[in-house]
Amino acid sequence: DTEVTQTPKHLVMGMTNKKSLKCEQHMGHRAMYWYKQKAKKPPELMFVYSYEKLSINESVPSRFSPECPNSSLLNLHLHALQPEDSALYLCASSPTPALAKNIQYFGAGTRLSVL
Amino acid sequence: SQQGEEDPQALSIQEGENATMNCSYKTSINNLQWYRQNSGRGLVHLILIRSNEREKHSGRLRVTLDTSKKSSSLLITASRAADTASYFCATDRSFQKLVFGTGTRLLVSP
Repeated sequence: DTEVTQTPKHLVMGMTNKKSLKCEQHMGHRAMYWYKQKAKKPPELMFVYSYEKLSINESVPSRFSPECPNSSLLNLHLHALQPEDSALYLCASSPTPALAKNIQYFGAGTRLSVL
Repeated sequence: SQQGEEDPQALSIQEGENATMNCSYKTSINNLQWYRQNSGRGLVHLILIRSNEREKHSGRLRVTLDTSKKSSSLLITASRAADTASYFCATDRSFQKLVFGTGTRLLVSP
């Protein structure tokens, strides 16, 4: 199984809502990532989890709150988002955090619209 | 800030033709990777080339790396309509961070 599963595929939320994005992998990977991608732009790294611990936060606003409950699951909790947060949110995983030998496996993404 | 700049930004060719896209980066790297993204979907890893390698092949893909010029190219031979996608180079800016280039949008017409 080389799949990273993201749910939901689409999400529409108001600026006062609280919602969560979910990402799951069963490849035994120990590094997981959240990216944000705007239209016609490359993915931008948001967070890195290494062995279930947050290792990188790319100065992401606190309205985005990541969580890694176990080695297979990664969540992104959303609260009080702004319309400019509308984007495709991608989850990825890699066997270990060391990028020298690793490739990243991506989910299909969650298309988020903030009204 | 983005590590890689890619050109062209967009490329339109006919099936059967070859497609070449280029990536330039700014700092030293351990490896360089290429990914493909179909419209609105996740990225798929295509190929990884290490900094001590100059050329690598995988099926219809050929990647070159010139560390002295801090540049890489991806050649797709005998393109098919199914190759229509965006292609991104990615470099390991640090131990855990993968930074993507600006991307090339490839359109292959039947």
